[in-house]
Amino acid sequence: AQTVTQSQPEMSVQEAETVTLSCTYDTSESNYYLFWYKQPPSRQMILVIRQEAYKQQNATENRFSVNFQKAAKSFSLKISDSQLGDTAMYFCAFRTSGSRLTFGEGTQLTVNP
Amino acid sequence: NAGVTQTPKFQVLKTGQSMTLQCAQDMNHNSMYWYRQDPGMGLRLIYYSASEGTTDKGEVPNGYNVSRLNKREFSLRLESAAPSQTSVYFCASRRRGRKTQYFGPGTRLLVL
Repeated sequence: AQTVTQSQPEMSVQEAETVTLSCTYDTSESNYYLFWYKQPPSRQMILVIRQEAYKQQNATENRFSVNFQKAAKSFSLKISDSQLGDTAMYFCAFRTSGSRLTFGEGTQLTVNP
Repeated sequence: NAGVTQTPKFQVLKTGQSMTLQCAQDMNHNSMYWYRQDPGMGLRLIYYSASEGTTDKGEVPNGYNVSRLNKREFSLRLESAAPSQTSVYFCASRRRGRKTQYFGPGTRLLVL
């Protein structure tokens, strides 16, 4: 069975600074996909970034980037130049070709002015 | 293009009552999903439908039924609501061959 672990229930960062959210996962599969979703107070789930396991290059989307360490089964999210609108719950998620998403417990990020 | 829509946004039920949560997507996606989200936990899959006419159990299916009415719509039914089903329910959809699921805004359900 696949598991996803986010060991930081809460984090805070000052506006304009950089923060890194951690995620580890466990799987015996070799082909899989990793995601970070953001859930603001509106509760909607919004895709932030995704990474294919077969790609060695780390994914980047504007201020969001990942550090994907396949051997260590680690998938951290770096947010640069943090903005107040980044305040949200962030979920790491994992999917194999079998189509099911497995989510971590979430990290509540607060960006302080 | 509204994406994934869910109704209602919020509902209060008494124990034993039944209700249906509605989900629709206008992106011509093949797969649709129902999740529940409880405090301190990530989303857990209740049921999913890989294509029109098929449904499969997820991680926590007990107490729920689903119907894939057509390609656009995927409903979740609680036949006899229990307080343990108090949660936020999310519907999601995905295009076949693509990796990303797109989520609706959620339905907050309170069972007293």
